[in-house]
Amino acid sequence: GAVVSQHPSWVICKSGTSVKIECRSLDFQATTMFWYRQFPKQSLMLMATSNEGSKATYEQGVEKDKFLINHASLTLSTLTVTSAHPEDSSFYICSARMGDGPQHFGDGTRLSIL
Amino acid sequence: RKEVEQDPGPFNVPEGATVAFNCTYSNSASQSFFWYRQDCRKEPKLLMSVYSSGNEDGRFTAQLNRASQYISLLIRDSKLSDSATYLCVVKGTDSWGKLQFGAGTQVVVTP
Repeated sequence: GAVVSQHPSWVICKSGTSVKIECRSLDFQATTMFWYRQFPKQSLMLMATSNEGSKATYEQGVEKDKFLINHASLTLSTLTVTSAHPEDSSFYICSARMGDGPQHFGDGTRLSIL
Repeated sequence: RKEVEQDPGPFNVPEGATVAFNCTYSNSASQSFFWYRQDCRKEPKLLMSVYSSGNEDGRFTAQLNRASQYISLLIRDSKLSDSATYLCVVKGTDSWGKLQFGAGTQVVVTP
């Protein structure tokens, strides 16, 4: 089946550090990728949607200068949390879709900012 | 009002018993519905799609009620491994077809 790999799975770093998370579709071309964030006991909240080669479309309330998304190829999207602070600590999950097909989720990145 | 609402639970279920729970959605134009399963600290995984006529996948039965805008999930003969959070997901009617997630219903199956 379709596989989406997300890396790293766990990050702990100091406040003020920028953190990059990678999302790769391993066996299909991901024309669209989604980035979500999930706080404990809450639903997945969509942060942004991107098509390959285009700028990401951010959801209301998500700072695009804070959360930089690059979808440079059909198999790779990256999310960079710039100057991360403790309130950015969360579970970040990507998903990828080819055309109008089903979304396949990465296994998530747990980000802890000290 | 949230797009997708669920009873957070937890539903404590004895092994072998049946458990059912619902989810309501706000957009009457929604066409695609899913149940996902999420284990603690893991990514969500698709459990099953929900079809208009209702559908069954092994011990899992999903129903859709368009008039009242809710979907349901029933788990028969619960196993310990069914313990998880079940996410109700509705595909949006926007051009992206974004998925709207409920906050999840926690199910705990006890021996």
